[in-house]
This record gives sequence, C-alpha cells and structure tokens, in this order.
Amino acid sequence: GAVVSQHPSRVICKSGTSVKIECRSLDFQATTMFWYRQFPKQSLMLMATSNEGSKATYEQGVEKDKFLINHASLTLSTLTVTSAHPEDSSFYICSASRVGAFQETQYFGPGTRLLVL
Amino acid sequence: GENVEQHPSTLSVQEGDSAVIKCTYSDSASNYFPWYKQELGKGPQLIIDIRSNVGEKKDQRIAVTLNKTAKHFSLHITETQPEDSAVYFCAARWRNKLSFGAGTTVTVRA
Repeated sequence: GAVVSQHPSRVICKSGTSVKIECRSLDFQATTMFWYRQFPKQSLMLMATSNEGSKATYEQGVEKDKFLINHASLTLSTLTVTSAHPEDSSFYICSASRVGAFQETQYFGPGTRLLVL
Repeated sequence: GENVEQHPSTLSVQEGDSAVIKCTYSDSASNYFPWYKQELGKGPQLIIDIRSNVGEKKDQRIAVTLNKTAKHFSLHITETQPEDSAVYFCAARWRNKLSFGAGTTVTVRA
C-alpha cells in the first residue's frame, strides 16, 4: 500500500511555456501533499505544502505565481510551472501523507524530470 | 527552522560488511525521523522510520537508533548486498515538514 504516482515522468518544453505535473495517491487518501525539487547530486528541497481544498503554503524563496499548486481532491495534487525557463529544469517530486494514523509518514512519487530548452 | 547534517557524504563497503550513516538535528521539537533510499532517476523510498518516543527500531538488516539528548540518529545496514548501493537520506520532521540531510552515496563492492 501507500503508492504515489506522478505524470508525466519526463517532459521537455520550450522556454516560456507552462508545464503541469500531476501527483496521485493511488491506494490511500492524502491529507497533505508536498512538492519538492531536487537538483543533480543534491538533496530534496521543499517547495510547498498543500492541503485538499486549501491554498498551498510556499517555502521562502519559492514564487507562488510561478509554481501554481492545485489540490483538487484527497488523491490528486497538481503543480504547474508557468513560463518555464532553463533554470527551472530539475527533478520534481511529490509526496503524500495519509489520512488517519501515522500522518507524519510521507510516501514519495517516482518524480518528474523537467528539461526546459 | 530545522537543520539536519548527515555524514559521511560517501561510503564504500565490501559486500557482507556493515554500513553506518549518522545524522544530527538542531531542533529538540522534532519528533519523527525517517530514512529514505533513492536510486538513480527514481523517487525516494521509505526504508525505516523512528518516532521520538522510541530509542531503536529494527527491520531485518536495517536498524535505526535515536539519541534525543544528543539530537542524533543513525542508520545501520548489516550484511550489505550490491542492491543496497544507492543514495540514502535522513530527515527530521518539524512543524509538519521534513528537513533532509545532504545524502550519503553508498557503494557496495562485490
């Protein structure tokens, strides 16, 4: 149990376009979903925390108008990178914590590799 | 915020030997400490976790110890196998958020 999926797994886009990444919890309902960014050979950096039906909470330095997060249901959160630029190229990973007991445990998706040309 | 330091950054061990990774955290209010394994190009996979009311936890070849007084916790992998080669991250939960260590690249030599 506790499977999280992401789509797409890999995306290449032109500079200035927008890209949407989906994160789904497949076999559980998620109270909270988290979005992380990971650059090569570096650790995971939290971008934002989202709760179903509420506005996302962004970490310091993360532009909320550039990284739009929608948490439409207890199983789906989306991250839209608007007007993407080459410096946005990175590995984007979501995680989800389940409703109920052990809410602190985060289960991660497989990640989405974004390359902006 | 929470600051997590992880050592060593790289670790090479002979197959069958043990591997130990150590982490320290800064905020005594942190109450949950997971360890993740990340293979190249994949998302992190939870391998073991420990809560602040427990000092040690074991799951087959993997064990984690927590010293709340010293604010450090460690991952122990025994009888290492080639498939244990990966990057390992420790994390500490503070105010519903995880802060991650910098990661340890573990290589198991056959």
